[in-house]
Amino acid sequence: DAKTTQPPSMDCAEGRAANLPCNHSTISGNEYVYWYRQIHSQGPQYIIHGLKNNETNEMASLIITEDRKSSTLILPHATLRDTAVYYCIVRHDYSGGSNYKLTFGKGTLLTVNP
Amino acid sequence: DTEVTQTPKHLVMGMTNKKSLKCEQHMGHRAMYWYKQKAKKPPELMFVYSYEKLSINESVPSRFSPECPNSSLLNLHLHALQPEDSALYLCASSQKPGLAGYEQYFGPGTRLTVT
Repeated sequence: DAKTTQPPSMDCAEGRAANLPCNHSTISGNEYVYWYRQIHSQGPQYIIHGLKNNETNEMASLIITEDRKSSTLILPHATLRDTAVYYCIVRHDYSGGSNYKLTFGKGTLLTVNP
Repeated sequence: DTEVTQTPKHLVMGMTNKKSLKCEQHMGHRAMYWYKQKAKKPPELMFVYSYEKLSINESVPSRFSPECPNSSLLNLHLHALQPEDSALYLCASSQKPGLAGYEQYFGPGTRLTVT
């Protein structure tokens, strides 16, 4: 399974953009990059995913490098409620794509400060 | 309705007890998952059910026994657990197993303490 590397922690000022990096240098051509976050003692929450192109939704933007070996999650205007552990995950498919699993790495603890 | 519910929220059990965790979703999802999360660690996959059939078992000890009685319900039966099994147990579901682009929705988890 492709592994991901993230900084253990980051700080961000409230109202500023938070840019969370992730390295996934062993990613295969058909493997998706997913981002989840987990606020303390809650279940993980899906944020966004992508394959090759940059993606944007109401929560965040995902920038994937052309060689797909790294990506950046951007929260455009961080709020205190965005304080959480952010997980970058490479989705691994089994059985010709009929099954898949998410293997969570250690994640980045993002702390948004007032 | 984009909610995965889990009961109970908290459970304390002795090492000789038998208990069950329950997970329910009404989103029509056909894949369901159990994860285990120890304190300050990431979630670890335990089981995957695809169309009500067990498709992945991540070498989980037999004292954990999953069951998927129908497409909306997932149970985890617990028997003869050890104190080191104390953790947050998370359930998740996704729309169609294997197809790209379908994210997993997680429940809030059951906090299990084994005494």
